[in-house]
Amino acid sequence: DQQVKQNSPSLSVQEGRISILNCDYTNSMFDYFLWYKKYPAEGPTFLISISSIKDKNEDGRFTVFLNKSAKHLSLHIVPSQPGDSAVYFCAASASFGNEKLTFGTGTRLTIIP
Amino acid sequence: NAGVTQTPKFRVLKTGQSMTLLCAQDMNHEYMYWYRQDPGMGLRLIHYSVGEGTTAKGEVPDGYNVSRLKKQNFLLGLESAAPSQTSVYFCASSSSGETQYFGPGTRLLVL
Repeated sequence: DQQVKQNSPSLSVQEGRISILNCDYTNSMFDYFLWYKKYPAEGPTFLISISSIKDKNEDGRFTVFLNKSAKHLSLHIVPSQPGDSAVYFCAASASFGNEKLTFGTGTRLTIIP
Repeated sequence: NAGVTQTPKFRVLKTGQSMTLLCAQDMNHEYMYWYRQDPGMGLRLIHYSVGEGTTAKGEVPDGYNVSRLKKQNFLLGLESAAPSQTSVYFCASSSSGETQYFGPGTRLLVL
């Protein structure tokens, strides 16, 4: 039972354009969502997060949008840069859940110069 | 400030052998976690700890044991390794917030 789904295993985007990565979840108890970025042979690194009381959070080139009614979130990267090429994981947690994260399967983003 | 470190980086085991993976964090975090990452499966939680001396099962705990004798260390043990435990193992830690900080990973191959 995959509670957090990333249906696109891979995505290619031209440098300078917008990258949009999508994530869907099924558990209505989830109220905190995170995006992690992972380079090969390294651990995941935290990128950006959003609480369920918000519908948008921005940090520089990165913006996360949350649509609670659709149980959908997306990560927008603009403009995309070659260094953004990595695997992106969506993760979710529920309050009082001992901060356990449930991860999606990841989307490999390739930025084409 | 090293953050989260993992030892070893890579290991090859034969079926039936045992080993311990060590995770250490220097951020004084209460919570620590062990995950495994397999192709197409994302990261799955094996065991976690909410403080020194505590442990709890995650999503895929079978075949693993853990201990948290010191706040800064979280050990993952495989008593009798199986080929199905070939994976990349990540340790993570967090404070009272939800953001978890990950180590660089341990690649384990069980033959």
